[in-house]
Amino acid sequence: SQQGEEDPQALSIQEGENATMNCSYKTSINNLQWYRQNSGRGLVHLILIRSNEREKHSGRLRVTLDTSKKSSSLLITASRAADTASYFCAAFKAAGNKLTFGGGTRVLVKP
Amino acid sequence: ETGVTQSPTHLIKTRGQQVTLRCSSQSGHNTVSWYQQALGQGPQFIFQYYREEENGRGNFPPRFSGLQFPNYSSELNVNALELDDSALYLCASSFSDRMGYETQYFGPGTRLLVL
Repeated sequence: SQQGEEDPQALSIQEGENATMNCSYKTSINNLQWYRQNSGRGLVHLILIRSNEREKHSGRLRVTLDTSKKSSSLLITASRAADTASYFCAAFKAAGNKLTFGGGTRVLVKP
Repeated sequence: ETGVTQSPTHLIKTRGQQVTLRCSSQSGHNTVSWYQQALGQGPQFIFQYYREEENGRGNFPPRFSGLQFPNYSSELNVNALELDDSALYLCASSFSDRMGYETQYFGPGTRLLVL
């Protein structure tokens, strides 16, 4: 079973617009991570937010975490065609050393 | 590039056969995790190896087995292949200490097709 569930499953936007995707998870976690995957290739780690953090920024990425609602969001600002990819959240639980992925959001950025 | 390599890149097998997939971890990493990613889905955790011992396992049957070698490279073996085993197999390496690990670095994957 998947710990994280992402919403929406797919997103189509114009270049320059912002893209927001959400992730919900089921149990307590140590941290939540976001990854990008291009065309069924390997995953690229984007950003990690710890359970005691509420917001984190990295370049054009902004991640929030609400542990009371067991949810996270990823915002990509000023999107580019190169941001076209699938984005996955992954919940990390130290007990079991296990990283559990959601089903992903497929983002299409049109030039 | 993460420095994690996998071989082969693509593989075609028939039902009932056995397959071995290989992963070389990033320099300095001592932990390798394997994931199965079916088309259109997120990766599913198969198992993790830390210092040559299995260190956690997902909901996969015993016909999925693995090894980690002294140089921390790893193999995933799947016996008695089934059609549903067709997927992208990803390995990820990380550095673990007594606090665990956080960031994993993924290889490009091996795409397995079972006919």
